[in-house]
Amino acid sequence: NAGVTQTPKFQVLKTGQSMTLQCAQDMNHEYMSWYRQDPGMGLRLIHYSVGAGITDQGEVPNGYNVSRSTTEDFPLRLLSAAPSQTSVYFCASSAYGTGYTGELFFGEGSRLTVL
Amino acid sequence: KNQVEQSPQSLIILEGKNCTLQCNYTVSPFSNLRWYKQDTGRGPVSLTIMTFSENTKSNGRYTATLDADTKQSSLHITASQLSDSASYICVVSAWNNDMRFGAGTRLTVKP
Repeated sequence: NAGVTQTPKFQVLKTGQSMTLQCAQDMNHEYMSWYRQDPGMGLRLIHYSVGAGITDQGEVPNGYNVSRSTTEDFPLRLLSAAPSQTSVYFCASSAYGTGYTGELFFGEGSRLTVL
Repeated sequence: KNQVEQSPQSLIILEGKNCTLQCNYTVSPFSNLRWYKQDTGRGPVSLTIMTFSENTKSNGRYTATLDADTKQSSLHITASQLSDSASYICVVSAWNNDMRFGAGTRLTVKP
């Protein structure tokens, strides 16, 4: 059982380049979310989805796009990378939204550096 | 503003000793509080989940407490082991999917 899988694990971009961070889960979870983790700060929610075709913004959505065409996949797109987007990104999934007490499973993270 | 504050920022203890980590929050309307363990370079892993009606929950040597009236939680680690060295993150969720993370407490257990 793979759980939540993120790719790539490491990526270096130049300012202005675009890329997509991939996230897939094999637990048939409805809720999926993306976070960024910066030194000295708690994880911050970027975007989330409560089911296929439904997405919503979190605390820090600017500069990021998401879509949810299937239950399994929730990619995060950076259209024009900026140095301020250098961070570690985590994808997570849960059977239901975080307002419920179901466990939230995290991927292993994707470390992005923007030069 | 919904916030989660953790203390201390870092802590060093000797193997076998106990320790307690603190979490204060202002998230509303409160739904649940979670404690996660995050090893360096890894994703967070859940330790406990508590709703407002629960004031204690244990997971092996980890015991979390919750006082919903004062909006405080603690995580007590008993008989620490070297493998307990990690960051411990307090996470509080509201009913509207607003989930706030504390900055974490970095615990180092020394032999």
